[in-house]
Amino acid sequence: KAGVTQTPRYLIKTRGQQVTLSCSPISGHRSVSWYQQTPGQGLQFLFEYFSETQRNKGNFPGRFSGRQFSNSRSEMNVSTLELGDSALYLCASSWLTGALTDTQYFGPGTRLTVL
Amino acid sequence: SQQGEEDPQALSIQEGENATMNCSYKTSINNLQWYRQNSGRGLVHLILIRSNEREKHSGRLRVTLDTSKKSSSLLITASRAADTASYFCATDVNNAGNMLTFGGGTRLMVKP
Repeated sequence: KAGVTQTPRYLIKTRGQQVTLSCSPISGHRSVSWYQQTPGQGLQFLFEYFSETQRNKGNFPGRFSGRQFSNSRSEMNVSTLELGDSALYLCASSWLTGALTDTQYFGPGTRLTVL
Repeated sequence: SQQGEEDPQALSIQEGENATMNCSYKTSINNLQWYRQNSGRGLVHLILIRSNEREKHSGRLRVTLDTSKKSSSLLITASRAADTASYFCATDVNNAGNMLTFGGGTRLMVKP
């Protein structure tokens, strides 16, 4: 079974631009989560989508948004990019069985550099 | 904010030795997961241990969980150079679904 895929793998943008990152979960997985990783703040939860609905949201400004499609693929968008948005963005998918957290499988990440 | 904190932040050992990493967290959890990350790449899931479990094994990995102390440890036995990576513990907030809070990680270097 193919793993979680993320596109693009690397991205360079300038301040003020916007960016869209894509994530394809493992086949059959319905939950997709996004995380931001920076040297200063570490790994931080952005949001989680399940069945096209945002189930949880982390403490990030409204410039960060996401969505999930009916095939469980997900996109996240960052508008009005700032230098501090430079990070590795990781997507994770899981089965989400019941109320308990399930094992999350991560993609390789998208390395975003904002100049 | 980070719920989990790993200790030590960095660890350097020789091949064949055992490596022990510790994780402490603050609030009640449903489960705790350990992940490995190689040099800025994606996270690889190692083990998930539920709050009603005390110990779990997977190959050369042994994870313990002490919910009374809000701590967990990851033991890698007979380490190899390929085990060189950063290791993170991740906890979930009760009934919050797939929302993980990660610790700062332990950077492990295994010298051949």
